[in-house]
Amino acid sequence: EIVLTQSPGTLSLSPGERATLSCRASETIYSVYLAWYQQKPGQAPRLLIYGSSTRATGIPDRFSGSGSGTDFNLTISRLEPEDFAVYFCQQYVSSTWTFGQGTKVEIK
Amino acid sequence: QLQLQESGPGLVKPSETLSLTCTVSGGSISGSGYYWGWIRQSPGKGLEWIGNVYYSGATYYNPSLRSRVTISLDTSKSQFSLRLNSVTAADTAFYYCAHTGTHNKFDHWGQGTLVTVSS
Repeated sequence: EIVLTQSPGTLSLSPGERATLSCRASETIYSVYLAWYQQKPGQAPRLLIYGSSTRATGIPDRFSGSGSGTDFNLTISRLEPEDFAVYFCQQYVSSTWTFGQGTKVEIK
Repeated sequence: QLQLQESGPGLVKPSETLSLTCTVSGGSISGSGYYWGWIRQSPGKGLEWIGNVYYSGATYYNPSLRSRVTISLDTSKSQFSLRLNSVTAADTAFYYCAHTGTHNKFDHWGQGTLVTVSS
């Protein structure tokens, strides 16, 4: 089973700053099957990025995804107040889906 | 716009079976090429994939839960269901249903429902 490890566990930043979140897979995965989600308290997760780098419908362009092989990143170019949330990566391989444990982006 | 809604008991006794239904609207549940899935989240914790059902009815489960899980599709009611047997307190969680689109991403989610396992 492929394990996704996200780092850091918590990122403390100020509005306007740049956030870089990491997702590392225990084995090489297909970039086409790597996605990122945002979750706010009391809400279901929302799809942000799929195929490693494609923004989902309605997602602002300050969100970008990159990476390949085992290392993937989600970057928020300039944090807006509504971006403080928890972010999860997710992968698919061989009829199995797995999630990372999440990174919390909190206001410094 | 595809919408999903979970329903089912919010309280289940230990050793019994947890049963939830997801009702789909705004799209066809039998559309080819797509999966429908269940994901759970223990309070304050991360997301755990439970399993998916393909439009054809084929099922795929998390290996750690496979022995206790059944997911099924009822196209006549535009619903899919989750059954998890022999539950314990460790199964207390928010349960989400979701549509799995191209690139095997979860692109539409239900609002989630809290299921508590307690006597």
